[in-house]
Amino acid sequence: NAGVTQTPKFQVLKTGQSMTLQCAQDMNHNSMYWYRQDPGMGLRLIYYSASEGTTDKGEVPNGYNVSRLNKREFSLRLESAAPSQTSVYFCASSENREFASGNTIYFGEGSWLTVV
Amino acid sequence: SQKIEQNSEALNIQEGKTATLTCNYTNYSPAYLQWYRQDPGRGPVFLLLIRENEKEKRKERLKVTFDTTLKQSLFHITASQPADSATYLCALAQAAGNKLTFGGGTRVLVKP
Repeated sequence: NAGVTQTPKFQVLKTGQSMTLQCAQDMNHNSMYWYRQDPGMGLRLIYYSASEGTTDKGEVPNGYNVSRLNKREFSLRLESAAPSQTSVYFCASSENREFASGNTIYFGEGSWLTVV
Repeated sequence: SQKIEQNSEALNIQEGKTATLTCNYTNYSPAYLQWYRQDPGRGPVFLLLIRENEKEKRKERLKVTFDTTLKQSLFHITASQPADSATYLCALAQAAGNKLTFGGGTRVLVKP
């Protein structure tokens, strides 16, 4: 069981370039997420997909787009990268979003993105 | 405004001692509180969760307490080992809203 797999692990972009972070989970989870983690800011939710076919904005969606390609895959796209998007990005998944019922989140290993 | 606060200063502790981390929150009505471990260069990994009506939960050398009056959770690592060195994140799930919100994490360094 691979869990949550995201690629690439490292990427350097020039300002204005675009790129897509790929994510796949093999746990048959309904819900998937993209977070960014910055020093002193903790984990912040960018976008999420509660179930296949739906996507919604999180706390910090500006400058990003997402696609829930199927139940397994959830990609994050930076259309025109900016230095403020330099961060570590984590994809995650959960059975559903009923956290008040004790659901927990499974994270990928992270993607380190630098925008110069 | 809503806040989840964890001590941003690293906790340095001698091997064998008990490490105690705090997670304080304001303006939340949490149904569950969860704790995750994050190693450098890796994603967070779930460790334990505790319900609002539970006072204490244990898993091996880990113990979590939850005091909704004080709006605080304590996370204890007993008989700490160098392998316990990591950053520990708390996360709150509210009773309504289908949301899980993370604290900033506390780094623990266990010295042999």
